[in-house]
Amino acid sequence: QVQLVQSGAEVKRPGSSVRVSCKASGGTFGSSSLSWVQQAPGQGLEWMGGIIPMFGSPSYAQSVQGRVTITADESTGTSYMDIHSLRSDDTAVYYCASGVPGTYYFASWGQGTLVTVSS
Amino acid sequence: QSALTQPASVSGSPDQSITISCTGASSDIGDYESVSWYQQHPGKAPKLLIFGVTFRASGVSDRFSGSKSGNTASLTISGLQADDEADYFCSSYTNSNDLEVLFGGGTKLTVL
Repeated sequence: QVQLVQSGAEVKRPGSSVRVSCKASGGTFGSSSLSWVQQAPGQGLEWMGGIIPMFGSPSYAQSVQGRVTITADESTGTSYMDIHSLRSDDTAVYYCASGVPGTYYFASWGQGTLVTVSS
Repeated sequence: QSALTQPASVSGSPDQSITISCTGASSDIGDYESVSWYQQHPGKAPKLLIFGVTFRASGVSDRFSGSKSGNTASLTISGLQADDEADYFCSSYTNSNDLEVLFGGGTKLTVL
């Protein structure tokens, strides 16, 4: 089973950008599906988008389309999520999660990265 | 698109059974065998319990079981234990143009 380790907490100003990384080990990174999930404080989970590294073309939830960029580097087994034009309501814990392409469930999760957007 | 609908909270006593419902639509739960369930303890990442409506993830106790009828999926936990106290989220594939994966709003399980 894939193990996922995410980058550390970030504090950002409104309008800036943030990059969160997710490094995979112990599995076949290239052929897995890698998704990013948002959890605002005290709230539920929201799927933001995903990528299959060997194919490279990400898909996004419409709510974040144009403001979020998901990439994957097969050589390092790392996925990145960039969020641009940060707003206060982007304050949340962001998880990367992996699964088998086409199955839409996530057997492995990163530990989560808290992004705080505050002026 | 709205999240799948779950009750905000359920409770039960040790050794009892509880069921958490998850209601969606024909564009998600109703038409696809892709319902999954996750358990999340405070401050921790979600943990996969059930996938493909009824299949238990590796290492998950057989006290956890999943089912589906029409547009509603259910998670049943039998023989409640103190450590089952957590938040539970359902999820499903959706054929909406907006996104691919839909989550429920979550249910807080309290073991009395």
